[in-house]
Amino acid sequence: DIQMTQSPSSLSASVGDRVTITCRASQGISNYLAWFQQKPGKAPKSLIYAASSLQSGVPSKFSGSVSGTDFTLTISSLQPEDFATYYCQQYNSYPLTFGGGTKVEIK
Amino acid sequence: QVQLVQSGAEVKKPGASVKVSCKASGYTFTSYYMHWVRQAPGQGLEWMGIINPSGGSTSYAQKFQGRVTVTRDTSTSTVYMDLSSLRSEDTAVYYCARARLRQFDYWGQGTLVTVSS
Repeated sequence: DIQMTQSPSSLSASVGDRVTITCRASQGISNYLAWFQQKPGKAPKSLIYAASSLQSGVPSKFSGSVSGTDFTLTISSLQPEDFATYYCQQYNSYPLTFGGGTKVEIK
Repeated sequence: QVQLVQSGAEVKKPGASVKVSCKASGYTFTSYYMHWVRQAPGQGLEWMGIINPSGGSTSYAQKFQGRVTVTRDTSTSTVYMDLSSLRSEDTAVYYCARARLRQFDYWGQGTLVTVSS
């Protein structure tokens, strides 16, 4: 199985901050990487697919990038509604696997 | 608009089975795959399996092979996930998620399954 290592596991940030979350795949997954946002008690929401493509309706403050097997989610200017847990997922091969999550908290 | 509406919370005893439904609307049911993902309390996301609603073919995570069955009813645009031989570790929120093969877009609201004696 492909292991997805996400870092950090949590971070504290202020409104307006630029936030970066990283996900590393244990083997090559091309660009088959997605990012999801989950708020407490809610279902995950799809943000990004194919490493850097925004899902319809997702604001452009979210962006994704890739370098080799390292993937990055960036939130350009953190807003109150962005405080949540973020997960990466590889969909290159079965079983689909997720990173452990990054909880973004208010500083 | 696309909607995936799941069935309500369940409480089951160890050894029992549970069947969770996911009713799709707002799109052509047979044009997208459906996945099942679960989340234990306070934990991360775990992929369980996929169904092609068009032909009914399925693929499951090895961890759940032999215990999970995913089916669909095209007449009602509903996908079902049946998990048997339940144990306490199966207590989790179960989600369905629509996908273009493996690329997720919409998620159901989740169904809490509690396994307790």
